[in-house]
Amino acid sequence: ETGVTQTPRHLVMGMTNKKSLKCEQHLGHNAMYWYKQSAKKPLELMFVYNFKEQTENNSVPSRFSPECPNSSHLFLHLHTLQPEDSALYLCASSQDPGQGHPNYGYTFGSGTRLTVV
Amino acid sequence: AQKVTQAQTEISVVEKEDVTLDCVYETRDTTYYLFWYKQPPSGELVFLIRRNSFDEQNEISGRYSWNFQKSTSSFNFTITASQVVDSAVYFCALKDSWGKLQFGAGTQVVVTP
Repeated sequence: ETGVTQTPRHLVMGMTNKKSLKCEQHLGHNAMYWYKQSAKKPLELMFVYNFKEQTENNSVPSRFSPECPNSSHLFLHLHTLQPEDSALYLCASSQDPGQGHPNYGYTFGSGTRLTVV
Repeated sequence: AQKVTQAQTEISVVEKEDVTLDCVYETRDTTYYLFWYKQPPSGELVFLIRRNSFDEQNEISGRYSWNFQKSTSSFNFTITASQVVDSAVYFCALKDSWGKLQFGAGTQVVVTP
């Protein structure tokens, strides 16, 4: 059982829908991440949150909107997505204060497989 | 800029054969960490190993072994006597001093009975 839980596991949505992906960790980690994994492409880092503050946004389109209400929860709000946004969205967490302390690995959730129709 | 290259897209072996996955990295940092993750069909990334840039000692864990060579910027992973359950995508990753985890493209390992 992974320490990072993502819901839902699968999601099919139309291009005009609004949906949210949820990620939860109870590992005591203070950093959380959203990654996108498309077919035949490397994992792409989307957003980074350290202590609930967004520290990185890798040029992600505004139709993806992250929210981190506390250190244990991370959301990815989706609206007006495109078919090319279909992918596996992975959440991860780490005990990682950021600069200077790269010793820690990430714990990943099982992902949400998103299909945009 | 950092880069992780896994040149092998897919490797197919028959059960009990050994398989070696290559990973070559680029970084300007003197302190960095290298990781291997396994992604089975279920989707989650499973942590396998972490190695820091100052420790070039090779490591063996059961049927898994890792060969870190700083001189060639490589961190290769070998599965000995492969099993069907080893079928997965394996990712090599590099973490810089800022804490960002950069992944390679992954290598699909297919083990057939």
